[in-house]
Amino acid sequence: QKEVEQNSGPLSVPEGAIASLNCTYSDRGSQSFFWYRQYSGKSPELIMSIYSNGDKEDGRFTAQLNKASQYVSLLIRDSQPSDSATYLCAVSISGYSTLTFGKGTMLLVSP
Amino acid sequence: GAVVSQHPSRVICKSGTSVKIECRSLDFQATTMFWYRQFPKQSLMLMATSNEGSKATYEQGVEKDKFLINHASLTLSTLTVTSAHPEDSSFYICSARGPSGSPTDTQYFGPGTRLTVL
Repeated sequence: QKEVEQNSGPLSVPEGAIASLNCTYSDRGSQSFFWYRQYSGKSPELIMSIYSNGDKEDGRFTAQLNKASQYVSLLIRDSQPSDSATYLCAVSISGYSTLTFGKGTMLLVSP
Repeated sequence: GAVVSQHPSRVICKSGTSVKIECRSLDFQATTMFWYRQFPKQSLMLMATSNEGSKATYEQGVEKDKFLINHASLTLSTLTVTSAHPEDSSFYICSARGPSGSPTDTQYFGPGTRLTVL
């Protein structure tokens, strides 16, 4: 059974700090990895996708993937109170398969 | 690009009635759409995969006769909750596979529909 694990949090960081969100997955055949942000009462919003080992940067966000360790992370630099949300990690085995979501990590950024 | 809409955003109905939720891809064609359900403080649960022109594929434990899915065109999928009961109250969210040229496993989500059954 495919599983995606995330610490539920909340992860509390002060404004301006780096927030580090982690995710592990069980299926070694996983090929695609996504981070979604979900504000309370809203639907998920795609932040980043990553497919190869290493780092991928987009603005204040950096996704890191280590397939050998079955680990994917999201770093948020210069965290802002508006970043306070639940961050969902999602994994896919192939281009046409469904996504398996983790339960999400709640991030709280205090001013 | 890759905008997905849902209608209605919120619906309140009486127990025993049926409710239809529409999911549209506004600026791209989506051969595959997905329907999720999310209870408070829980993660997304995939209900079914909807393919244009064919029958939906339901996840284990999801009653296909209760949650009717129709994907009649490349931009529209509908979910009908039949004979709704209070336990069906939830946040229903659709997503669509991204437009041609984007990675095929990227999903873009609609804004969701909050269903309350009295």
